[in-house]
Amino acid sequence: GENVEQHPSTLSVQEGDSAVIKCTYSDSASNYFPWYKQELGKRPQLIIDIRSNVGEKKDQRIAVTLNKTAKHFSLHITETQPEDSAVYFCAPNSSGSARQLTFGSGTQLTVLP
Amino acid sequence: DTAVSQTPKYLVTQMGNDKSIKCEQNLGHDTMYWYKQDSKKFLKIMFSYNNKELIINETVPNRFSPKSPDKAHLNLHINSLELGDSAVYFCASSPAGGPYEQYFGPGTRLTVT
Repeated sequence: GENVEQHPSTLSVQEGDSAVIKCTYSDSASNYFPWYKQELGKRPQLIIDIRSNVGEKKDQRIAVTLNKTAKHFSLHITETQPEDSAVYFCAPNSSGSARQLTFGSGTQLTVLP
Repeated sequence: DTAVSQTPKYLVTQMGNDKSIKCEQNLGHDTMYWYKQDSKKFLKIMFSYNNKELIINETVPNRFSPKSPDKAHLNLHINSLELGDSAVYFCASSPAGGPYEQYFGPGTRLTVT
């Protein structure tokens, strides 16, 4: 299965600052790189994803960058707001099979007002 | 309209009991999943299932079994519940031929006493 490492495990930033979370994976066959956000007591929800033929993708204040050579991808959040406070998970994979599906250990982001 | 639903939302039971959690999706997806999220927020896949194949994570005890009466439903049955089974269980679905975004249900908080 895929070995996935996510850093940092916790991150506190001041409102308006930027936040970056990194995900490192081991399977060179991985071709889909999503980030999920889970607010307290809620379900994980996709916020942004990227496929292996693209190096960067942006959606308003969030972006994902991919380095396939180094096998890592990162979530970037700019102009952070208190509602960005949540746990963020990466889940790189190459298929929908349980054999390859591994979520990162999560990053608790706290945006301080 | 609810895309992925689970019942019950909360489940409190005693050790040794057998319980089931129901999951339904109205997205027309071919693949469904069960995840376990422990108190440290680790999100671990237990099963993936479509109408052709059941993939079981080898670390899941055989006390856990998925049951799919049809493509829109994947229920989780747990025999002989143990204290360590206490967690939040999420159902999810995605289109076949992935990898694609996973749509999660609201979760079921299981407490074994």
